[in-house]
Amino acid sequence: TQLLEQSPQFLSIQEGENLTVYCNSSSVFSSLQWYRQEPGEGPVLLVTVVTGGEVKKLKRLTFQFGDARKDSSLHITAAQPGDTGLYLCAGAPSSGGYNKLIFGAGTRLAVHP
Amino acid sequence: DVKVTQSSRYLVKRTGEKVFLECVQDMDHENMFWYRQDPGLGLRLIYFSYDVKMKEKGDIPEGYSVSREKKERFSLILESASTNQTSMYLCASSYYGYTFGSGTRLTVV
Repeated sequence: TQLLEQSPQFLSIQEGENLTVYCNSSSVFSSLQWYRQEPGEGPVLLVTVVTGGEVKKLKRLTFQFGDARKDSSLHITAAQPGDTGLYLCAGAPSSGGYNKLIFGAGTRLAVHP
Repeated sequence: DVKVTQSSRYLVKRTGEKVFLECVQDMDHENMFWYRQDPGLGLRLIYFSYDVKMKEKGDIPEGYSVSREKKERFSLILESASTNQTSMYLCASSYYGYTFGSGTRLTVV
C-alpha cells in the first residue's frame, strides 16, 4: 500500500514568516499534486509536478518534486493570513494514471496577522 | 472551469435512514469519486467510477453503495445510516487533476 506522510501536521506562524511543508513516501509516484482546502470548502488544486527534480512557482509558493519522485515540498515565502488553510499532497501511483490519487493527511496552516 | 456540485452542504439524518448524496459535474469527465474526510484521517476513498454504470470499491466501501446512471451524476447511498458515518463527504471529478465539490457535512443522530 502506498502512503504519503505529511509534516508537520499543524503549523501556526506570524504573517511574514517563511515555512516549508513536506510530503514523503517510500513509493515512487508518476506525479504529485498539491491542494489547498479552506474551511467549509472542497480542496482546490494548486499545482501538479511530474518530473523528478521539478520546481514550480505560484507567486509566493514554491513546489518541488524529489529527484526520485518519492517526496515533495511546498515552501511559502512571507506568509499572509490568506494562506491559512489545509494543504494536502496527493500522489498518482506509478502503476496507473490519475485514478485513485493517494492523499496525505494534510498540514493545517494558520497565519496570524 | 469544471464545476462539481453537491446537492446539500449540510444534512442531518436519523440512524437507520437511507441517505442519498448527489454529485453533478459539468465537464463530461469519465472519472468521479466519493471521499469522506475526518480529522486526522485525511481523505479516504469510498467508491469511484470510471464510466457510466461502472464502479469500483475504494478503501472504505462498507455501508455505502453508489449509482452512476448518467455520466454527469454520481450518487452515494448510505443504505442504513449509522452514527459512525457522520463526516464530511467530498465528491470529485477528474481528467488530470481533481476538481472537488464543496462537500456535504452529514450528521447522523
